[in-house]
Amino acid sequence: GEDVEQSLFLSVREGDSSVINCTYTDSSSTYLYWYKQEPGAGLQLLTYIFSNMDMKQDQRLTVLLNKKDKHLSLRIADTQTGDSAIYFCAESFGGYNKLIFGAGTRLAVHP
Amino acid sequence: ETGVTQTPRHLVMGMTNKKSLKCEQHLGHNAMYWYKQSAKKPLELMFVYSLEERVENNSVPSRFSPECPNSSHLFLHLHTLQPEDSALYLCASSQDMGGDYEQYFGPGTRLTVT
Repeated sequence: GEDVEQSLFLSVREGDSSVINCTYTDSSSTYLYWYKQEPGAGLQLLTYIFSNMDMKQDQRLTVLLNKKDKHLSLRIADTQTGDSAIYFCAESFGGYNKLIFGAGTRLAVHP
Repeated sequence: ETGVTQTPRHLVMGMTNKKSLKCEQHLGHNAMYWYKQSAKKPLELMFVYSLEERVENNSVPSRFSPECPNSSHLFLHLHTLQPEDSALYLCASSQDMGGDYEQYFGPGTRLTVT
């Protein structure tokens, strides 16, 4: 079955880069996503990558996809306190856009 | 209002109660989704509706009953719930189904079953 795994916690210093990693099992996934959830809020799509791409950059965010190893990462450059949140990796499964989520990585940014 | 709204934001109910969660999207989308986010499990898809027709029922117990009267509104009717059903219930919508359509999430309803 489909499965997405992430480490649960990451702590970084303000101004440093953060790297959040994710592994998935379904090789037929077409899209892979990174969502952000702040306290008391719903999920906000940060970025996504099509499965035939290796990398995608969007301002401070860089997504790397290693399809052979089924590994996805999100790099946040110059991490700020406002980046503190839970980050979810998700893969798209099936024709109706069923999303399989990881458990989420809690990012804590300290001064 | 804009985006995806959910009411109520918080709900406490007993195991014998009947209540409903409401979701409304103001984006003109055709697909709507219910997700369950509990403390100990990853976010789980419960139901998918496209053009008011249910296209996915992800092995959800019958004590959860969805309703989609039109493409802008989605309800989740709850009855005889169990304490393990306590969770954050998130609604989402997308322009259409398919992986290239972003899902926009509401803020969620925090449900506590006592």
